[in-house]
Amino acid sequence: GAGVSQTPSNKVTEKGKYVELRCDPISGHTALYWYRQSLGQGPEFLIYFQGTGAADDSGLPNDRFFAVRPEGSVSTLKIQRTERGDSAVYLCASSSRAGEQFFGPGTRLTVL
Amino acid sequence: QKEVEQDPGPLSVPEGAIVSLNCTYSNSAFQYFMWYRQYSRKGPELLMYTYSSGNKEDGRFTAQVDKSSKYISLFIRDSQPSDSATYLCAMSGYGNNRLAFGKGNQVVVIP
Repeated sequence: GAGVSQTPSNKVTEKGKYVELRCDPISGHTALYWYRQSLGQGPEFLIYFQGTGAADDSGLPNDRFFAVRPEGSVSTLKIQRTERGDSAVYLCASSSRAGEQFFGPGTRLTVL
Repeated sequence: QKEVEQDPGPLSVPEGAIVSLNCTYSNSAFQYFMWYRQYSRKGPELLMYTYSSGNKEDGRFTAQVDKSSKYISLFIRDSQPSDSATYLCAMSGYGNNRLAFGKGNQVVVIP
């Protein structure tokens, strides 16, 4: 079956712009996660959805970051007023049982 | 102190050697332990998934968890050039679904 998909694969934007990153999880997975990975580091947790609701958003770095999952499937991570420090690979994962998360290929965000 | 420590030093081994990787952690609430493989410019791929202490073997891969020492290991037998990648350890606890990752180990298997 299809794995987790993410679009776009690459996004280049200018400082101060707004961006949206999309994640399409594995069909039937109710849990969805967003992580951010900087060069040479492991992924860092941002937010976790169980169904449509954000069960844990404690990893979002500030209020410029927001994510939604309105129908319990596709999720969108939104970043307002982007800064150069937001440049990273944004990874999405989905899961059907505790701990076992399957990742998408990521979106490489570059803020100029 | 980070929750998960993984010495990020690159590791080069000849083809056919055993690769040994490990992580230590500080949070005693962790119950689920994973190893991911990540190729350059790709997402992490789940290799091994272990619940609580013990060993798990899958083909050439063996994962070990020692909760008393807060130490986990991954062994790759008969390493192949296609095993060249970054290996990330990850873990989570009950009711806390976020994964805490190590920094990753870059492994290079030389033909």
